[in-house]
Amino acid sequence: DADVTQTPRNRITKTGKRIMLECSQTKGHDRMYWYRQDPGLGLRLIYYSFDVKDINKGEISDGYSVSRQAQAKFSLSLESAIPNQTALYFCATSGGGDTQYFGPGTRLTVL
Amino acid sequence: GENVEQHPSTLSVQEGDSAVIKCTYSDSASNYFPWYKQELGKRPQLIIDIRSNVGEKKDQRIAVTLNKTAKHFSLHITETQPEDSAVYFCAASRAGKNYGQNFVFGPGTRLSVLP
Repeated sequence: DADVTQTPRNRITKTGKRIMLECSQTKGHDRMYWYRQDPGLGLRLIYYSFDVKDINKGEISDGYSVSRQAQAKFSLSLESAIPNQTALYFCATSGGGDTQYFGPGTRLTVL
Repeated sequence: GENVEQHPSTLSVQEGDSAVIKCTYSDSASNYFPWYKQELGKRPQLIIDIRSNVGEKKDQRIAVTLNKTAKHFSLHITETQPEDSAVYFCAASRAGKNYGQNFVFGPGTRLSVLP
């Protein structure tokens, strides 16, 4: 679904570095989400945002922060990356219904 | 909070056979249950969903059933084809605009359809 994009698609970084993952959408949706995917654990919610002024913690928010710069943009930051944050990160959006539309994912490796 | 379990973790079937994946949830207030399919290296995509006011929903070869009393729901794929090979995730949430649509996902089932 090209309406939800993520940058970068792959990133290798070192322990202690600050990393920002970006998500943009052209679907006009109000709600945006950040998930983390680890093998055998499925998708776990990190943060979600109902609109620009409404940001909420998800199941595993420790070590992460987010910024909703505009309706169409939602960024995830790792202030000081650690190896156990190595994972596949997905952004998702939803509009008036309940369906969530996922971006292509960002594969992050922390050495 | 909600907890979703999913079984089996891996499933292999012969092409043309049926596949069944079962999920259980813990929060009786959950009322929306989507299923997502994730092909290798791709993003999860919704394939079917069901709400708590419905016991069964079908879309061609895919069906989902819900048992609210037992708090479990299942995905049924009939006449499986090689392109059905993927990881399938179930999820549970409280739907509606007043809720966060906080999906809690199961750990996934890797389905392999053998030719």
